[in-house]
Parts: sequence; structure tokens; C-alpha cells
Amino acid sequence: DAKTTQPNSMESNEEEPVHLPCNHSTISGTDYIHWYRQLPSQGPEYVIHGLTSNVNNRMASLAIAEDRKSSTLILHRATLRDAAVYYCILRGGPKAAGNKLTFGGGTRVLVKP
Amino acid sequence: EAGVTQFPSHSVIEKGQTVTLRCDPISGHDNLYWYRRVMGKEIKFLLHFVKESKQDESGMPNNRFLAERTGGTYSTLKVQPAELEDSGVYFCASSPKGQGEAEAFFGQGTRLTVV
Repeated sequence: DAKTTQPNSMESNEEEPVHLPCNHSTISGTDYIHWYRQLPSQGPEYVIHGLTSNVNNRMASLAIAEDRKSSTLILHRATLRDAAVYYCILRGGPKAAGNKLTFGGGTRVLVKP
Repeated sequence: EAGVTQFPSHSVIEKGQTVTLRCDPISGHDNLYWYRRVMGKEIKFLLHFVKESKQDESGMPNNRFLAERTGGTYSTLKVQPAELEDSGVYFCASSPKGQGEAEAFFGQGTRLTVV
């Protein structure tokens, strides 16, 4: 599985934007970039995913570098509820066997009131 | 729409006993995955079902673990006999497709403690 690299932790103030970087220099052409988060005592939760173009949804935005070797998850206005561990994961395209999610250490986001 | 549900939410058993965890995926999701996180470690993949067939069981730690998905609906994960190192949180996820563009929906997990 292609590997991703994320900072261990980040801090943000409430209602400020949070930019979470992810490096994935060995990404293949058919790998999708997925982001999940895990709030305390809960299962992982899908946040967003993309392939080549930037993506927006109600939770976040995903900015993908032109060479696809890195991406940034953007939380536009962090709330206390956004405090979680955020995982950047590559998920294979249609021909990848199983398409399991391979979790790394993620980035622990702390939101300060 | 009901999400992925897991039973029980917590289980405490003695070493050597048997425990069965259950996962009910979202209706219509053919793909079902089991993961677990042991204390202080990363979430690790255990296995993947497509309907009732095991697509990938490369993450199963040993033959004390048995997963089934009869009829392609709910799945069970049995640990027999349980050992101390099996303690952790077991997550189930389901997905409508197995392809990379599909999101996975996770349950809340079952916290297993083996004493």
C-alpha cells in the first residue's frame, strides 16, 4: 500500500481555519486520496475524498497538488467538535484488490476555545 | 437510514473464553470490513467480505479468529480462545462499492477486554 506522511499533531483556535497537510509521494495514478477522522470513543468517520481536482463538501475542503504527491485538508472554521485524529489514506482504484483502508498515525487536532 | 451497528459495545471476558462480535452493515452494502486497534497502536485491517465471500483476510492475526458473513448480511467475528493480546477496539465498516472512490461507513466499535 502506498504510504502517507502526516504531522503528529496540530493546534488551532476555535473558529479559525485548520490546514492539515499530507504527503503521499508514492501515490499511483488510480489511488484516491481519502480523509477520515476519529473523534474520542467513536469509530472513524468519513470526511472527504478526491482524485485530482480540489473537492468541497459540508465538512471540509480538499486541496490536491498538481502532481498529486501531497494534499491538504482544510477545515474552514474549527469548532471544539472538530478535535479528533485525522487520517489521510490512499485507496486504490477499481483494480486494486480489496481496497482496504490502511491507517497510519494520523494528525491529532487540538482546538482551543 | 441506520448506520453500521456493532454488538456488544463492550465485552469483558477471561482468557481462554470465547467471544463473538457482531456487525450489521448498512443495508445493501456488499463490502464489509473488520478492523481493530490494540492499545497504543494504529488501526489495523483484519479482513474484507464481498457479500458472503472473503475477499481478503490477510490481516487476520491467527487461527483463533474466525469471521463469517452468512447470507451476505450481518457478520460475526469469533475469537476462540481469547488471549490477553486480543484486547482492543474492533471496528466494522461497510461500503457500497469496493472501489477507491467509495467511502466507508464505520460502526462505533466493540471494546474487548480480556482479563
